[in-house]
Amino acid sequence: KAGVTQTPRYLIKTRGQQVTLSCSPISGHRSVSWYQQTPGQGLQFLFEYFSETQRNKGNFPGRFSGRQFSNSRSEMNVSTLELGDSALYLCASSLTATHRTDTQYFGPGTRLTVL
Amino acid sequence: AQSVAQPEDQVNVAEGNPLTVKCTYSVSGNPYLFWYVQYPNRGLQFLLKYITGDNLVKGSYGFEAEFNKSQTSFHLKKPSALVSDSALYFCAVKGGNEKLTFGTGTRLTIIP
Repeated sequence: KAGVTQTPRYLIKTRGQQVTLSCSPISGHRSVSWYQQTPGQGLQFLFEYFSETQRNKGNFPGRFSGRQFSNSRSEMNVSTLELGDSALYLCASSLTATHRTDTQYFGPGTRLTVL
Repeated sequence: AQSVAQPEDQVNVAEGNPLTVKCTYSVSGNPYLFWYVQYPNRGLQFLLKYITGDNLVKGSYGFEAEFNKSQTSFHLKKPSALVSDSALYFCAVKGGNEKLTFGTGTRLTIIP
């Protein structure tokens, strides 16, 4: 079974631009979560989607948004990029969002650099 | 609110020696605990999880973790370290209806 895929793997943008990152979950998984990883802040939760609905949201400004499609694929968007948005963005999928025992499986990440 | 502490930023172990990476947690209700490993420029790989039952959980690559409810700990262990075990290790907890919360990570270096 194929793992979680994320595209693109690397992105370079300039301040003020916007960016869209894509995530395809493991086949059969319906929940997708997004995380931002930086050396200073570690792994921070962005949001979680299940059945096209946002179920949980972290403490990020409104410039960060996401959505999930009917095939469970998810996208996240960051508008008006700032230098501090440079990070590794990780997507994780799990079977459901309701079973606390479900394991999240991570993709390889998208490395975003903002210049 | 739930939280995870990994008290050691860096752990160095000689190849062949046993290794331990420490994790303590705080959560209301029953804890569901996870260990992940991250290699350079890669995503996180799932190692093992504790849900209920046996306090000693066995996972991938020869790793195991011991759940201790009274000490609220979930330390990761391996009897004999390999150089290839060098990586960044994350402990995570999920409780109640909250999201998965990660510790700050421990960089494990195995010295040949």
